[in-house]
Amino acid sequence: SQQGEEDPQALSIQEGENATMNCSYKTSINNLQWYRQNSGRGLVHLILIRSNEREKHSGRLRVTLDTSKKSSSLLITASRAADTASYFCAAEGGADGLTFGKGTHLIIQP
Amino acid sequence: NAGVTQTPKFQVLKTGQSMTLQCAQDMNHNSMYWYRQDPGMGLRLIYYSASEGTTDKGEVPNGYNVSRLNKREFSLRLESAAPSQTSVYFCASSGQRQGGGYTFGSGTRLTVV
Repeated sequence: SQQGEEDPQALSIQEGENATMNCSYKTSINNLQWYRQNSGRGLVHLILIRSNEREKHSGRLRVTLDTSKKSSSLLITASRAADTASYFCAAEGGADGLTFGKGTHLIIQP
Repeated sequence: NAGVTQTPKFQVLKTGQSMTLQCAQDMNHNSMYWYRQDPGMGLRLIYYSASEGTTDKGEVPNGYNVSRLNKREFSLRLESAAPSQTSVYFCASSGQRQGGGYTFGSGTRLTVV
């Protein structure tokens, strides 16, 4: 079963605006990761936040993690047309791989 | 370029045919994984190999077998393809230190008719 669930399933915003995506997971984790997938391509790792961290930044990305609520959010600031993609959260609980959510499809309108 | 290489990129099979999807990584990663991606379902783990010589079932292993040929290569075999196995298959690898991001291949789009 899916460990992570993203919200919303789809998001359409204007270029320059900020985009926020949320993720919930079910069991305890070692870390929570976010990936981007452009149409017809493989997944690209964006950022990882460990279970003992609450917030992490990387360029225009900001990730938060609330282990008490089993939730995470990904904020993309000053969005660009090239940010149009699907975004997935993935929970890592052990050595048995990542468990992915169903993804948020983000569309940046020019 | 360093990364994960999958072959083939596209394949059409008839029901009952067999095939092997190949995956190789050149990053000296210990762990390798096979996922399938279906519309609206995200990625689901088929099999994984935590280290050379070991393989384990994931969430959806039925109808598949795997071989960790060496540290670099991890293949996925469909012995008797079924239409339900129509999907996009992704191979991934991760480094020794748990908590690093995974590197994904570009995928194999498989259609079973």
